[in-house]
Amino acid sequence: DAGVIQSPRHEVTEMGQEVTLRCKPISGHDYLFWYRQTMMRGLELLIYFNNNVPIDDSGMPEDRFSAKMPNASFSTLKIQPSEPRDSAVYFCASSGGSNGYTFGSGTRLTVV
Amino acid sequence: DAKTTQPTSMDCAEGRAANLPCNHSTISGNEYVYWYRQIHSQGPQYIIHGLKNNETNEMASLIITEDRKSSTLILPHATLRDTAVYYCIVSAYSGAGSYQLTFGKGTKLSVIP
Repeated sequence: DAGVIQSPRHEVTEMGQEVTLRCKPISGHDYLFWYRQTMMRGLELLIYFNNNVPIDDSGMPEDRFSAKMPNASFSTLKIQPSEPRDSAVYFCASSGGSNGYTFGSGTRLTVV
Repeated sequence: DAKTTQPTSMDCAEGRAANLPCNHSTISGNEYVYWYRQIHSQGPQYIIHGLKNNETNEMASLIITEDRKSSTLILPHATLRDTAVYYCIVSAYSGAGSYQLTFGKGTKLSVIP
């Protein structure tokens, strides 16, 4: 079991550029979550999916952020256009139910 | 609106038991207590969860009071690798597509040699 796989591990981009973060959940898990972590705000839930359907996106900060889950094995989080305040570590997690989440290693995004 | 209250930080001597408290006085009957930890620069790691009975696994024990208003996570023999931020979270799993964990600030546990 390779766990939750996120790519890239690190991303440095210029303000205004489009950024796409990728996540491969654990096979068989039917929940997928995107979190953002900063020193100021801690871990924030952005959006989560159940069976590839977005259930709650109330944590998505603004229209510049979008997330998709085209199939059970892949999800993307896109920021367009990116801004310096989007700099953070973005985590993807998956779950098969009430037994807790498995998190990926995260993507550290720096927008300059 | 925080559902749990945890101390900001704690120290524990290596080899001793680490007891991390959590208050969740407004917990509902269908809400579980979850514990996660985050070692520096890594993704959070699931430790254990419970509803009302005490639970034990290879990582830790979870003691939930009878009124369910508080709980304690016990690491029986703390090692330096247990230094991390520990999060106590309450959440209901409805099995109907409604399931999310909201992380607070947690307790920073430092294991001292």
